[in-house]
Amino acid sequence: QVQLQESGPGLVKPSETLSLTCTVSGASISSYFWSWIRQPPGKGLEWIGYINYIGSTSYNPSLKSRVTISVDTSKSQFSLKLSSVTAADTAVYYCASQRAFAPFDYWGQGTLVTVSS
Amino acid sequence: EIVLTQSPGTLSLSPGERATLSCRASQSVSSSFLAWYQQKPGQAPRLLIYGASSRATGIPDRFSGSGSGTDFTLTIIRLEPEDFAVYYCQQYGSSPRTFGQGTKVEIK
Repeated sequence: QVQLQESGPGLVKPSETLSLTCTVSGASISSYFWSWIRQPPGKGLEWIGYINYIGSTSYNPSLKSRVTISVDTSKSQFSLKLSSVTAADTAVYYCASQRAFAPFDYWGQGTLVTVSS
Repeated sequence: EIVLTQSPGTLSLSPGERATLSCRASQSVSSSFLAWYQQKPGQAPRLLIYGASSRATGIPDRFSGSGSGTDFTLTIIRLEPEDFAVYYCQQYGSSPRTFGQGTKVEIK
């Protein structure tokens, strides 16, 4: 059973960089693509981007200029950095797994990140 | 980008009734790469249906998906109390991956 756990600061100041890490257990990090998805309070889901074990990435064009997703296979972790954040980036951030051309089958529990001074 | 539009926004039904949720895509979804998720308050989404009509592991057979091209449907026959939640469709055939805005199934 694949398990994912997000970690990182719950509060980020405007204009700073949001940084989150997802730790994977129960599966080889080389077996899947690894995504970040976010959900503003009371709103719908937005895919941010994904990475695979060799570091190939794909990002949502709406966020591409501010997003970096990286992977550390030795730690079975992948990470999200979102720069120049504003209040509009306040959301629950989920990490999730998927195979190529497949849906998101496993999800972390999500972590709320609030952007506020 | 493929825009997914779900209808209705809210469905008010009683336990035991049938729910029919619609998801319409702005362009054809490749190879029926369309999924449905269920989300309850404070929880992550759970995969219900993939490939437009295949149930994910452990999903009861009262959930079924159908459709192709640009029109997709999620049907829940005989709603159980635990089925009242928000449902999202999502396409994974093209980038960026996109979600519908959700349909809330609430108790009437």
